[in-house]
Amino acid sequence: GENVEQHPSTLSVQEGDSAVIKCTYSDSASNYFPWYKQELGKRPQLIIDIRSNVGEKKDQRIAVTLNKTAKHFSLHITETQPEDSAVYFCAATIGGNTPLVFGKGTRLSVIA
Amino acid sequence: NAGVTQTPKFQVLKTGQSMTLQCAQDMNHNSMYWYRQDPGMGLRLIYYSASEGTTDKGEVPNGYNVSRLNKREFSLRLESAAPSQTSVYFCASILSRGIPGELFFGEGSRLTVL
Repeated sequence: GENVEQHPSTLSVQEGDSAVIKCTYSDSASNYFPWYKQELGKRPQLIIDIRSNVGEKKDQRIAVTLNKTAKHFSLHITETQPEDSAVYFCAATIGGNTPLVFGKGTRLSVIA
Repeated sequence: NAGVTQTPKFQVLKTGQSMTLQCAQDMNHNSMYWYRQDPGMGLRLIYYSASEGTTDKGEVPNGYNVSRLNKREFSLRLESAAPSQTSVYFCASILSRGIPGELFFGEGSRLTVL
């Protein structure tokens, strides 16, 4: 089955700097790659996703890139703000009724 | 529109006790899931129900049972709780029908087994 590895497990950046979180997946048939943000004590919520027919997707200060050949995808956050501090999870699935497989998460701390 | 509702939000059990976590969604979603979240372990799938009338094991099903009561409700039962089941449990749902999309989570249920 699918296996998703996520790095780093923790990340600290200065406010205004960029943050990059990387994930690799094992199943070349995976075609959907979402990112979830979980603030302290809250539920995970989708922030951005990308499908296998697209190489990059942007939404304001966040972007996701996908390299199908290397089987990895990354989350980029620019101009980080304190409210970006949270745990971020990547995930992957081959679609159909197959559930998402999540990475172990990255705790991002933005230092003011 | 409440989304995904879980009860209870907090529960303390003694080893060997049983309990059921309830989950309901009002978005007419087809697929529902139970995850557990432990520090450093991410979100691990316990059981899921791709559609009403079906249930399947996930990554960590041992010690749990589930029931898809109807399209709205998906419950998780611990028959004989163990300290290793201390965790935060999230129910989630998705429209599915074969096209991956946003997974909507409940607020979580924090369970402590003494």
